[in-house]
Formats: sequence, structure tokens, C-alpha cells
Amino acid sequence: QKEVEQNSGPLSVPEGAIASLNCTYSDRGSQSFFWYRQYSGKSPELIMFIYSNGDKEDGRFTAQLNKASQYVSLLIRDSQPSDSATYLCAVHTGRRALTFGSGTRLQVQP
Amino acid sequence: EAGVTQFPSHSVIEKGQTVTLRCDPISGHDNLYWYRRVMGKEIKFLLHFVKESKQDESGMPNNRFLAERTGGTYSTLKVQPAELEDSGVYFCASSLRPLGGEQYFGPGTRLTVT
Repeated sequence: QKEVEQNSGPLSVPEGAIASLNCTYSDRGSQSFFWYRQYSGKSPELIMFIYSNGDKEDGRFTAQLNKASQYVSLLIRDSQPSDSATYLCAVHTGRRALTFGSGTRLQVQP
Repeated sequence: EAGVTQFPSHSVIEKGQTVTLRCDPISGHDNLYWYRRVMGKEIKFLLHFVKESKQDESGMPNNRFLAERTGGTYSTLKVQPAELEDSGVYFCASSLRPLGGEQYFGPGTRLTVT
């Protein structure tokens, strides 16, 4: 079992729709959770982080954390073609630095 | 505020040669991390510096990899001698807070070993 699991996609949504990206993790001691966006050939860009159970909103982005179920999700409202990228879930367990999932490729169709 | 910078952006070397990658973290960030992504795999942690000290190097694949951060500013990652399986993208990240804080990534160095 991978430490951080994501569906590789592609997840295809129409422009203006809500994109929902999910991530599960195996270590119950995980403390911090991050979402990175990575355009092809570019570096990961931090877009959201969450430390406590519940929702955290920032503009069109909402991160949701459920530690009991060991999942974290990212919602993107009013999706735009420019949101098309690979979204990486990263988890910090306290033992070492970030553990990354393999990423979900999002395609927003105009 | 300047972000994390890395040099070179690309490097192509032959098996057995030596390559040195450089990372300049965000000014004031004591925490510096090296990660690597090989083709088709997840980004993997290599090591973590706090200032000039190696806090965690459990991700370093073998003793052909040597990381330094003299003076607690920029860091170098040397691969000597390089092997074919070392090919990939090497990312550097920095953070203000220690483990658990937000990490900001540099553009990466794409290393190709032929």
C-alpha cells in the first residue's frame, strides 16, 4: 500500500464546474497536508495547506481534511482551462519531510 | 521576494561522471530540502537541512550522493559517479518553519545520465 494515494486521472470537467480531487494516506500520525499544482515541465506550486479537520477555503479552492477517514480533498470551484494541471497531494507524517502522491491530472474543457 | 532558485536547469552527463547541483533557498528560510522525481514515479524526499546541519538524510539513495550546505545558505548536491538510474528531476524546497511547515519548491534540475 502506498503511503499517499491519488487517482492518476485524467479527471475531466467542463469549464465552470467544480473539480473534486481526492487523496488518502496511510499513516494515522500524519499532521500536515498540502496540495501542490504542477504544470507540465514546471515545479510544484503550493496552493493549499490544511492542518486541522474540516474545511479551509481560499478563493476558488477548498481543502477538506478528515483524519478519522484518512483522506484529504481539494475542491476547485468555477474551474478554468488554466486550472488544467497535475495536482499533487503531499503529507507530512512527522518522521520525515513530505511524502507525495503520484498526482491527479485535471483537464478543464472549455 | 525571490523564490527558490536552482542551477543548472538541465544537465546531461555520461555515466561515471560527476555533477553538482546547486540550490538557493528563499532568504531567511533555515529549512532546505532536496527531493527527486524519476520517470513515472512520485516525488521522493532525499534530505533535509536545518541551517548547515543535516537533520534527516534517510532518503539519500546511496553514498554516491553528497549534500552540503556550508554557511547555512545555499546547498549543493553532488552525484559521483553518476549512474543511469540517477536520471530524473531534482527539486529543492525551502521553508521557514521546520518539518510540517509550508515548503516552496524551486524550478528543478533535470539530470540526464547517458
